[in-house]
Amino acid sequence: GESVGLHLPTLSVQEGDNSIINCAYSNSASDYFIWYKQESGKGPQFIIDIRSNMDKRQGQRVTVLLNKTVKHLSLQIAATQPGDSAVYFCAENNNAGGTSYGKLTFGQGTILTVHP
Amino acid sequence: EPEVTQTPSHQVTQMGQEVILRCVPISNHLYFYWYRQILGQKVEFLVSFYNNEISEKSEIFDDQFSVERPDGSNFTLKIRSTKLEDSAMYFCAIRIAGGTDTQYFGPGTRLTVL
Repeated sequence: GESVGLHLPTLSVQEGDNSIINCAYSNSASDYFIWYKQESGKGPQFIIDIRSNMDKRQGQRVTVLLNKTVKHLSLQIAATQPGDSAVYFCAENNNAGGTSYGKLTFGQGTILTVHP
Repeated sequence: EPEVTQTPSHQVTQMGQEVILRCVPISNHLYFYWYRQILGQKVEFLVSFYNNEISEKSEIFDDQFSVERPDGSNFTLKIRSTKLEDSAMYFCAIRIAGGTDTQYFGPGTRLTVL
């Protein structure tokens, strides 16, 4: 069945360091992946996404890497700032055969704490 | 990024009562979604809504739940007879017509069932 999980539940870094948040997924048919940031009391905020036909995608200070061989997804945040402190969720969607209308399956989340 | 608002921000209700949660997207859109997040847990899919009908739903979305878009703008989630375990954050999400598969989430409604 579909499941998305995270290796590390918490990550603590110093301001200015690079952060790497990891995610493992079990459904090899997953074809679309998203990273969300969730601050306390708020809804998930879109960070970056990637399709299964790509290995890497870059945004502003963020990079998502996809390794389909080992079914692993990571989010890299460059020059982490205190404002990056939040819970980060990976989510996946499997639309193979057109049977999914965008249902996202979320991982448990990683708490990122950035110390000034 | 499209704006999604939800009302109310916090709803307190007695067990067995009906609640209606509202989502107001501010843009053209194609798909609507409801998710919930029990405190400290991951976000869980409830239902997707396309072309004025349910397109997919999870096991959580039983007969006590319903969705509709009554006026072509607001998208509502109704829980007919709330249970204690319905206490959670409920998030609406939208996907833009003609856009990518990205889903944008609203700020959520915190439902507390007493």
